[in-house]
Amino acid sequence: GENVEQHPSTLSVQEGDSAVIKCTYSDSASNYFPWYKQELGKGPQLIIDIRSNVGEKKDQRIAVTLNKTAKHFSLHITETQPEDSAVYFCAASASNTGNQFYFGTGTSLTVIP
Amino acid sequence: ETGVTQTPRHLVMGMTNKKSLKCEQHLGHNAMYWYKQSAKKPLELMFVYNFKEQTENNSVPSRFSPECPNSSHLFLHLHTLQPEDSALYLCASSQVQGNIQYFGAGTRLSVL
Repeated sequence: GENVEQHPSTLSVQEGDSAVIKCTYSDSASNYFPWYKQELGKGPQLIIDIRSNVGEKKDQRIAVTLNKTAKHFSLHITETQPEDSAVYFCAASASNTGNQFYFGTGTSLTVIP
Repeated sequence: ETGVTQTPRHLVMGMTNKKSLKCEQHLGHNAMYWYKQSAKKPLELMFVYNFKEQTENNSVPSRFSPECPNSSHLFLHLHTLQPEDSALYLCASSQVQGNIQYFGAGTRLSVL
C-alpha cells in the first residue's frame, strides 16, 4: 500500500519568515494530495490540495508544489503569523486504492512572535 | 465549524465498560469515516461507509463495532477496550468516498 513520509516532525520559525513542510509518497498511482491543519482541540481542516495534473497551486500565503517524478510534494507558508501555529498533515490518495487517504505523521509548526 | 459534530468530546472508561461514540454530519454527504489518531503516528483509517454500506474495515479488532443507520449518522460502539486503545477518535465525511473529507473535532478516549 501507499506510504507517506513527512518531514520535519517539528518546525519553529520567526513570525514573518517562511515555513516549508515536505512529504514523499511511494505509490506512483497517487493522484490527489490534500494538506490539513489541526489546531489544538480541533479536528483536521483542509487548507489546500493539489491533483497530479498540476505542479503548483497557491492560495494567498499558502502554496503547494508537486513533483510527480520524484514523488514528493511540499507545503509552503509565507509571511507566517502566530495563528499559523498548528499541526499540519499531508496525505495522498489514489483511485486504485479506493481513494483512501494515507496520511503523514504530522508537522508541529510553532510561529514565534 | 466544519458541519461534523462528534459527541462526547471526552470519554473515560474502564476495560469492562460499553460505550458509544456518535458522529453527525450536516453537510448532505454520503460517505462517513472513523479514524484513530495516536501521538506521533499517522491517522489510521478504521472504517468507511459509503451510502450506508461499509466499504472499508482496516483490520480493526472486533471490540470496535461501527454502525451507520443513515447517511448523516455514524456510531462507534466500544466494549472491553484495552489501555492502548486510548486515543483521539475522529469522524469525517465526504460527498462520496474518495472526495475531500471534513473532520469533526474528535472524541478523546481514555481507557483505564
